[in-house]
Amino acid sequence: SYELTQPPSVSVSPGQTARITCSGDALPKVYAFWYQQKPGQAPLTLIYKDTERPSEIPERFSGSSSGTTVTLTISGVQAEDEADYYCQSADPNDTYWVFGGGTKLTVL
Amino acid sequence: EAQLVVSGGGLVKAGGSLRLSCAASGFSFNDAWVSWVRQAPGKGLEWVGRIKSKSHGGTIDYAAPVKGRFSISRDDLKDTIYLQMDSLKTEDTAVYYCTISDLWGQGTLVTVSS
Repeated sequence: SYELTQPPSVSVSPGQTARITCSGDALPKVYAFWYQQKPGQAPLTLIYKDTERPSEIPERFSGSSSGTTVTLTISGVQAEDEADYYCQSADPNDTYWVFGGGTKLTVL
Repeated sequence: EAQLVVSGGGLVKAGGSLRLSCAASGFSFNDAWVSWVRQAPGKGLEWVGRIKSKSHGGTIDYAAPVKGRFSISRDDLKDTIYLQMDSLKTEDTAVYYCTISDLWGQGTLVTVSS
């Protein structure tokens, strides 16, 4: 099975831009998804199919893809964005999902 | 409003069984592909398995750690997905979520004691 690799932590000051990367060999062939999870809460879908955003998600959350890396960008970070962020994809045959290990975003 | 409600968690001894339910409302369930995801205490998200819609063959896939012990089924008349968990191990202790498209249920805690 293949793996998705995320940095364990990212720190950013309020108002700045945070970028969280996710790397995996299959990412050029399969879509990536991004989830936000705050303590004690269920995950919240931020991005689906690499770049699409559910209607209720603020525009400051965006996704991009380049080769074997996908990136979640949070523009104008706010204190409420402090959370764990997970990328997720599937194997090329779409028979199982894979999650990255998660990235803890700290707002300084 | 579309929502998923997960129920059935609890405390069970190793080797025991438990059945979780994921009830959907507020949207068309019949064409939904439903996944179960779990999260052990203090750990990351882990995919458990998925059932496709009947129109896509109803195919079911499982993660390696649960294959042969867990089974997923659906009752489209009740808009409900089930996760039957047998031969439970202490390492199955986790919060279990169901998810459809970009929607997640609130999760239910399963604790397996030795």
